[in-house]
Amino acid sequence: GESVGLHLPTLSVQEGDNSIINCAYSNSASDYFIWYKQESGKGPQFIIDIRSNMDKRQGQRVTVLLNKTVKHLSLQIAATQPGDSAVYFCAETVTSGTYKYIFGTGTRLKVLA
Amino acid sequence: DSGVTQTPKHLITATGQRVTLRCSPRSGDLSVYWYQQSLDQGLQFLIQYYNGEERAKGNILERFSAQQFPDLHSELNLSSLELGDSALYFCASSVDHLQGYGYTFGSGTRLTVV
Repeated sequence: GESVGLHLPTLSVQEGDNSIINCAYSNSASDYFIWYKQESGKGPQFIIDIRSNMDKRQGQRVTVLLNKTVKHLSLQIAATQPGDSAVYFCAETVTSGTYKYIFGTGTRLKVLA
Repeated sequence: DSGVTQTPKHLITATGQRVTLRCSPRSGDLSVYWYQQSLDQGLQFLIQYYNGEERAKGNILERFSAQQFPDLHSELNLSSLELGDSALYFCASSVDHLQGYGYTFGSGTRLTVV
Protein backbone atom coordinates (compact mmCIF):
# COMPACT_ATOMS: atom_id res chain seq x y z
CA GLY A 1 0.00 0.00 0.00
CA GLU A 2 0.94 3.63 -0.22
CA SER A 3 2.83 5.28 2.55
CA VAL A 4 1.19 8.55 3.42
CA GLY A 5 3.05 11.04 5.49
CA LEU A 6 6.14 9.10 6.47
CA HIS A 7 7.19 11.90 8.79
CA LEU A 8 3.85 12.65 10.38
CA PRO A 9 3.51 12.92 14.14
CA THR A 10 2.59 9.53 15.53
CA LEU A 11 0.29 8.61 18.36
CA SER A 12 0.75 5.11 19.76
CA VAL A 13 -2.10 3.74 21.81
CA GLN A 14 -2.74 0.40 23.49
CA GLU A 15 -5.64 -1.56 22.08
CA GLY A 16 -8.71 -0.86 24.16
CA ASP A 17 -7.54 2.53 25.36
CA ASN A 18 -9.03 5.82 24.22
CA SER A 19 -7.23 7.92 21.61
CA ILE A 20 -7.24 11.69 21.31
CA ILE A 21 -6.02 13.27 18.10
CA ASN A 22 -5.66 17.02 17.95
CA CYS A 23 -5.85 19.54 15.16
CA ALA A 24 -5.24 23.27 15.12
CA TYR A 25 -7.13 24.99 12.37
CA SER A 26 -6.07 28.17 10.69
CA ASN A 27 -9.06 30.27 9.70
CA SER A 28 -11.20 31.85 12.41
CA ALA A 29 -13.98 32.22 9.83
CA SER A 30 -14.17 28.45 9.24
CA ASP A 31 -17.54 27.15 10.30
CA TYR A 32 -17.56 23.54 9.20
CA PHE A 33 -15.04 20.87 10.10
CA ILE A 34 -14.55 17.25 9.13
CA TRP A 35 -12.32 14.46 10.35
CA TYR A 36 -11.02 11.97 7.83
CA LYS A 37 -9.31 8.62 8.22
CA GLN A 38 -6.81 7.46 5.62
CA GLU A 39 -5.62 3.88 5.63
CA SER A 40 -2.61 2.75 3.69
CA GLY A 41 -3.40 2.40 0.00
CA LYS A 42 -6.79 4.04 0.29
CA GLY A 43 -8.32 7.44 -0.12
CA PRO A 44 -9.50 9.55 2.82
CA GLN A 45 -12.70 8.36 4.42
CA PHE A 46 -15.20 10.62 6.18
CA ILE A 47 -15.49 9.93 9.91
CA ILE A 48 -17.45 12.74 11.51
CA ASP A 49 -18.21 16.41 11.01
CA ILE A 50 -19.16 19.36 13.18
CA ARG A 51 -20.46 22.84 12.56
CA SER A 52 -19.22 25.88 14.41
CA ASN A 53 -22.50 26.31 16.30
CA MET A 54 -21.68 23.13 18.20
CA ASP A 55 -18.95 22.29 20.71
CA LYS A 56 -19.28 18.54 20.62
CA ARG A 57 -20.66 15.87 18.37
CA GLN A 58 -20.72 12.14 18.92
CA GLY A 59 -20.73 9.27 16.51
CA GLN A 60 -20.15 5.59 16.89
CA ARG A 61 -17.05 5.31 19.13
CA VAL A 62 -15.92 8.76 17.98
CA THR A 63 -16.43 12.22 19.42
CA VAL A 64 -15.32 15.51 17.95
CA LEU A 65 -14.74 18.53 20.17
CA LEU A 66 -14.48 22.05 18.85
CA ASN A 67 -12.92 24.97 20.71
CA LYS A 68 -13.37 28.06 18.60
CA THR A 69 -11.63 30.30 21.09
CA VAL A 70 -8.28 28.67 20.47
CA LYS A 71 -9.12 27.27 17.01
CA HIS A 72 -8.69 23.70 18.12
CA LEU A 73 -10.39 20.51 17.09
CA SER A 74 -9.98 17.09 18.59
CA LEU A 75 -11.08 13.59 17.67
CA GLN A 76 -11.61 11.08 20.43
CA ILE A 77 -11.79 7.40 19.61
CA ALA A 78 -13.12 5.17 22.34
CA ALA A 79 -11.81 1.64 22.90
CA THR A 80 -9.28 1.90 20.11
CA GLN A 81 -9.05 -1.16 17.89
CA PRO A 82 -6.33 -2.40 15.51
CA GLY A 83 -8.54 -1.39 12.59
CA ASP A 84 -8.29 2.22 13.77
CA SER A 85 -4.62 2.34 12.77
CA ALA A 86 -4.43 4.97 10.04
CA VAL A 87 -3.59 8.60 9.37
CA TYR A 88 -6.23 11.00 10.66
CA PHE A 89 -6.57 14.56 9.51
CA CYS A 90 -8.99 17.38 9.95
CA ALA A 91 -10.37 19.69 7.33
CA GLU A 92 -11.96 23.11 7.66
CA THR A 93 -14.03 25.23 5.36
CA VAL A 94 -16.14 28.35 5.26
CA THR A 95 -19.68 27.50 4.17
CA SER A 96 -20.52 30.80 2.57
CA GLY A 97 -19.41 32.29 -0.70
CA THR A 98 -16.71 30.25 -2.36
CA TYR A 99 -15.90 27.22 -0.31
CA LYS A 100 -12.26 26.41 0.14
CA TYR A 101 -11.43 23.25 1.91
CA ILE A 102 -8.19 23.26 3.92
CA PHE A 103 -6.80 19.94 5.07
CA GLY A 104 -4.39 19.47 7.95
CA THR A 105 -1.28 17.35 7.51
CA GLY A 106 -2.48 14.56 9.74
CA THR A 107 -1.51 12.34 12.66
CA ARG A 108 -0.60 8.69 12.35
CA LEU A 109 -2.38 6.50 14.89
CA LYS A 110 -0.69 3.22 15.76
CA VAL A 111 -2.64 0.74 17.82
CA LEU A 112 -0.47 -1.56 19.89
CA ALA A 113 -1.72 -5.07 20.61
CA ASP B 1 -15.01 0.19 -2.75
CA SER B 2 -15.99 3.84 -2.34
CA GLY B 3 -17.69 4.07 -5.72
CA VAL B 4 -15.13 6.56 -7.04
CA THR B 5 -12.77 4.90 -9.51
CA GLN B 6 -9.34 6.21 -10.30
CA THR B 7 -6.98 4.85 -12.92
CA PRO B 8 -4.20 4.04 -13.10
CA LYS B 9 -3.26 3.18 -9.53
CA HIS B 10 0.42 3.67 -10.19
CA LEU B 11 2.28 5.63 -12.83
CA ILE B 12 6.01 6.01 -13.33
CA THR B 13 7.21 8.45 -15.93
CA ALA B 14 10.20 10.58 -16.81
CA THR B 15 10.67 14.30 -16.35
CA GLY B 16 9.27 16.37 -19.18
CA GLN B 17 6.59 13.85 -20.02
CA ARG B 18 2.82 14.22 -19.96
CA VAL B 19 0.34 11.95 -18.21
CA THR B 20 -3.42 11.72 -17.86
CA LEU B 21 -5.16 10.59 -14.70
CA ARG B 22 -8.73 9.45 -14.90
CA CYS B 23 -11.58 9.58 -12.40
CA SER B 24 -15.08 8.18 -12.56
CA PRO B 25 -17.31 9.69 -9.88
CA ARG B 26 -19.77 7.80 -7.74
CA SER B 27 -23.06 7.19 -9.50
CA GLY B 28 -25.31 10.23 -9.15
CA ASP B 29 -22.52 12.62 -8.14
CA LEU B 30 -22.12 15.69 -10.31
CA SER B 31 -19.04 17.26 -8.74
CA VAL B 32 -15.49 16.03 -9.15
CA TYR B 33 -12.58 17.41 -7.16
CA TRP B 34 -8.89 16.79 -7.70
CA TYR B 35 -6.38 16.86 -4.87
CA GLN B 36 -2.63 16.41 -4.65
CA GLN B 37 -1.06 14.79 -1.61
CA SER B 38 2.69 14.91 -1.16
CA LEU B 39 4.65 13.32 1.66
CA ASP B 40 4.21 15.23 4.92
CA GLN B 41 1.67 17.55 3.38
CA GLY B 42 -2.05 17.71 3.61
CA LEU B 43 -4.35 17.39 0.67
CA GLN B 44 -3.90 20.32 -1.66
CA PHE B 45 -6.99 21.26 -3.62
CA LEU B 46 -6.33 21.54 -7.34
CA ILE B 47 -9.62 21.99 -9.16
CA GLN B 48 -13.34 21.25 -9.06
CA TYR B 49 -15.78 20.50 -11.86
CA TYR B 50 -19.53 20.45 -11.50
CA ASN B 51 -21.69 18.96 -14.21
CA GLY B 52 -19.07 19.59 -16.86
CA GLU B 53 -18.15 23.13 -15.86
CA GLU B 54 -15.13 24.32 -13.91
CA ARG B 55 -16.43 25.41 -10.52
CA ALA B 56 -13.42 26.29 -8.41
CA LYS B 57 -9.69 26.45 -8.79
CA GLY B 58 -7.09 25.91 -6.14
CA ASN B 59 -3.33 25.67 -6.25
CA ILE B 60 -3.19 24.14 -9.71
CA LEU B 61 -0.09 24.76 -11.77
CA GLU B 62 -0.40 26.08 -15.31
CA ARG B 63 1.21 22.83 -16.50
CA PHE B 64 -1.82 20.98 -15.14
CA SER B 65 -5.28 21.01 -16.62
CA ALA B 66 -8.47 19.08 -16.16
CA GLN B 67 -11.84 18.54 -17.72
CA GLN B 68 -15.10 16.80 -16.99
CA PHE B 69 -16.83 14.99 -19.80
CA PRO B 70 -20.58 14.64 -20.53
CA ASP B 71 -20.61 11.24 -18.83
CA LEU B 72 -19.18 13.07 -15.77
CA HIS B 73 -15.86 11.29 -15.67
CA SER B 74 -12.90 13.61 -15.31
CA GLU B 75 -9.33 13.65 -16.46
CA LEU B 76 -6.38 15.48 -14.93
CA ASN B 77 -3.60 16.20 -17.37
CA LEU B 78 -0.12 16.83 -16.05
CA SER B 79 2.49 18.03 -18.53
CA SER B 80 6.19 18.95 -18.53
CA LEU B 81 6.49 16.81 -15.46
CA GLU B 82 9.04 17.63 -12.81
CA LEU B 83 10.43 15.53 -9.98
CA GLY B 84 8.40 17.60 -7.54
CA ASP B 85 5.17 16.50 -9.16
CA SER B 86 5.63 13.05 -7.66
CA ALA B 87 2.69 12.62 -5.33
CA LEU B 88 -0.60 10.90 -4.71
CA TYR B 89 -3.41 12.38 -6.73
CA PHE B 90 -6.89 11.90 -5.39
CA CYS B 91 -10.22 12.46 -6.94
CA ALA B 92 -13.35 12.97 -4.86
CA SER B 93 -16.96 13.33 -5.88
CA SER B 94 -20.11 14.73 -4.35
CA VAL B 95 -23.71 15.21 -5.31
CA ASP B 96 -23.69 18.99 -5.42
CA HIS B 97 -21.22 21.80 -5.97
CA LEU B 98 -20.54 22.60 -2.34
CA GLN B 99 -17.04 21.66 -1.33
CA GLY B 100 -16.82 19.55 1.73
CA TYR B 101 -20.28 18.09 1.88
CA GLY B 102 -20.73 14.43 1.13
CA TYR B 103 -17.25 13.84 -0.25
CA THR B 104 -16.31 10.39 -1.43
CA PHE B 105 -12.67 9.86 -2.30
CA GLY B 106 -11.15 7.41 -4.72
CA SER B 107 -8.10 5.32 -3.86
CA GLY B 108 -5.75 7.64 -5.67
CA THR B 109 -3.09 7.49 -8.35
CA ARG B 110 0.52 7.32 -7.22
CA LEU B 111 2.62 9.32 -9.69
CA THR B 112 6.37 8.89 -9.61
CA VAL B 113 8.45 11.14 -11.82
CA VAL B 114 12.01 9.93 -12.36
